Amino acid sequence: DQQVKQNSPSLSVQEGRISILNCDYTNSMFDYFLWYKKYPAEGPTFLISISSIKDKNEDGRFTVFLNKSAKHLSLHIVPSQPGDSAVYFCAASAGNFNKFYFGSGTKLNVKP
Amino acid sequence: IAGITQAPTSQILAAGRRMTLRCTQDMRHNAMYWYRQDLGLGLRLIHYSNTAGTTGKGEVPDGYSVSRANTDDFPLTLASAVPSQTSVYFCASSASTGMSYTFGSGTRLTVV
Repeated sequence: DQQVKQNSPSLSVQEGRISILNCDYTNSMFDYFLWYKKYPAEGPTFLISISSIKDKNEDGRFTVFLNKSAKHLSLHIVPSQPGDSAVYFCAASAGNFNKFYFGSGTKLNVKP
Repeated sequence: IAGITQAPTSQILAAGRRMTLRCTQDMRHNAMYWYRQDLGLGLRLIHYSNTAGTTGKGEVPDGYSVSRANTDDFPLTLASAVPSQTSVYFCASSASTGMSYTFGSGTRLTVV
């Protein structure tokens, strides 16, 4: 049973608009969350993180929001660019940082 | 260029054969990890190593073994491959536990 879920396999957004990628988790012990971006034939690359003591973390065009009561986090990309087209994975850990649990990924397509 | 090198890039393997996937990093990271990526399931941790000389089991360790004789190398061995081990395998490392990972480009393994 997956503890981290990304229920949208794909998302298509127009260039310049906001992309919102969602992630839900079931384990209330998770306290550290990451987002990774993956291009075809490459390994995932780290994008942004958030710990459970925060509800928002921002880095340039990327903002991650954490709603602990809903066990939900989201990644906002504003404005979206064609180069953002990739698969995005969220990951969560419960203090044991050896065990990050990953979602199944959302493929983002930003149309020019 | 500093990073993680995985070999081979891809491999077709007959069921029952033994196979070692190689992973080398030149960043002097203490922690290393092996993940497999399967469609709809995201990335799942197979084995990890906090530091040279130590290893641990992840979510899906059965059928796989690892060793960590030194800081740089973390090979993954399939003793007797089965078709369910068909997957894309990613090696990753981090400077210490709790930090984001650097991933390799992956090995695409097909067991027939």
